[in-house]
Amino acid sequence: AQTVTQSQPEMSVQEAETVTLSCTYDTSESDYYLFWYKQPPSRQMILVIRQEAYKQQNATENRFSVNFQKAAKSFSLKISDSQLGDAAMYFCAYRSAWALQGAQKLVFGQGTRLTINP
Amino acid sequence: NAGVTQTPKFQVLKTGQSMTLQCAQDMNHEYMSWYRQDPGMGLRLIHYSVGAGITDQGEVPNGYNVSRSTTEDFPLRLLSAAPSQTSVYFCASSYVGQENSPLHFGNGTRLTVT
Repeated sequence: AQTVTQSQPEMSVQEAETVTLSCTYDTSESDYYLFWYKQPPSRQMILVIRQEAYKQQNATENRFSVNFQKAAKSFSLKISDSQLGDAAMYFCAYRSAWALQGAQKLVFGQGTRLTINP
Repeated sequence: NAGVTQTPKFQVLKTGQSMTLQCAQDMNHEYMSWYRQDPGMGLRLIHYSVGAGITDQGEVPNGYNVSRSTTEDFPLRLLSAAPSQTSVYFCASSYVGQENSPLHFGNGTRLTVT
């Protein structure tokens, strides 16, 4: 079974600075997808960024980018120019590319709570 | 566009009581699922369904039942609530067979069992 580990329960950063959240995963599969979700205090789950394992290029979405190291099974999220609205719980998640019957079963990490200091 | 709607938002139960958490989506998604979120454990899959009449167990199914009689609805039943089921519950849905289809989440139900 696949596992996802986020070793940083809490992180804090000054507004406008850059912060990196760590995520490692364990799998024997070669094809899969990795995700970062943001959960603000409203409890809503918001997809931040997605990476396909077969793509060598790291995904980028505006101020959010990932460092995907397939051999090391590492998938970190970098947030540049941090803003107060970035404060949230961040979850790393894994999904197999070979979803039985199309079941999009996500495996989540434990989460990292990010605080932005003004 | 309502997306994924969960009701209720909050619920308090006594041990042994039963209840149903409702989930409805209006996007014609074939795939629907239930997760529970606990501190320090992330979200864990309870049950899922890939279409009407088809359900299967996830990682933590014990104590929960589901059924899928329509494409739109996927209720989660607690037959005899236990304090260990105190958690935040999320319903999520997506299309089947479309690799770029993201998982859409409801806003969650906070359940407390005393």
